[in-house]
Amino acid sequence: GIQVEQSPPDLILQEGANSTLRCNFSDSVNNLQWFHQNPWGQLINLFYIPSGTKQNGRLSATTVATERYSLLYISSSQTTDSGVYFCAVSTGNQFYFGTGTSLTVIP
Amino acid sequence: DAGVTQSPTHLIKTRGQQVTLRCSPKSGHDTVSWYQQALGQGPQFIFQYYEEEERQRGNFPDRFSGHQFPNYSSELNVNALLLGDSALYLCASSLNRRRGGYTFGSGTRLTVV
Repeated sequence: GIQVEQSPPDLILQEGANSTLRCNFSDSVNNLQWFHQNPWGQLINLFYIPSGTKQNGRLSATTVATERYSLLYISSSQTTDSGVYFCAVSTGNQFYFGTGTSLTVIP
Repeated sequence: DAGVTQSPTHLIKTRGQQVTLRCSPKSGHDTVSWYQQALGQGPQFIFQYYEEEERQRGNFPDRFSGHQFPNYSSELNVNALLLGDSALYLCASSLNRRRGGYTFGSGTRLTVV
């Protein structure tokens, strides 16, 4: 299967700080999504971004498919951004997930 | 518009027992996938159902089986439970062949004692 590596594994930020999360994957993919897992376990879809750049409020993401990596940017972080962020990639019906980045934003 | 609904939210079972988890997909979705998420890990793909058939299966033993009903809802069955089956089980729904539209439920947290 496709290997997905995320970094850093853990991140602690002061409220208002910016951060960049990285996702490297081992093979060509036709689907890449970023998810935020809330404290109740639900995976919230942040971006569908197999290539290019997208922005949604304080969040933005960039995928460079030819170099097999994606970046998630969080600006002006808030305590509600805390949780685990997952990158998931797919070539068909199956998602391969990384082990996630655990983000803690402190007031 | 209801999202993906999973039941029950929590479950405690004894080793060797059998369990059935349920998933109702988001309105308009026809494909259901199941994932297992162990503590501290990313979700692992179990299988996907479309048109009431298992379309693809991950690296899970035959103790894990599923079903999809004509209304697109789905069940995950696990037989002969092991302690290692303790995990969060997530259901995701999507519209066939439409990329990027996966919606996950909040999961069922299964504890095997």
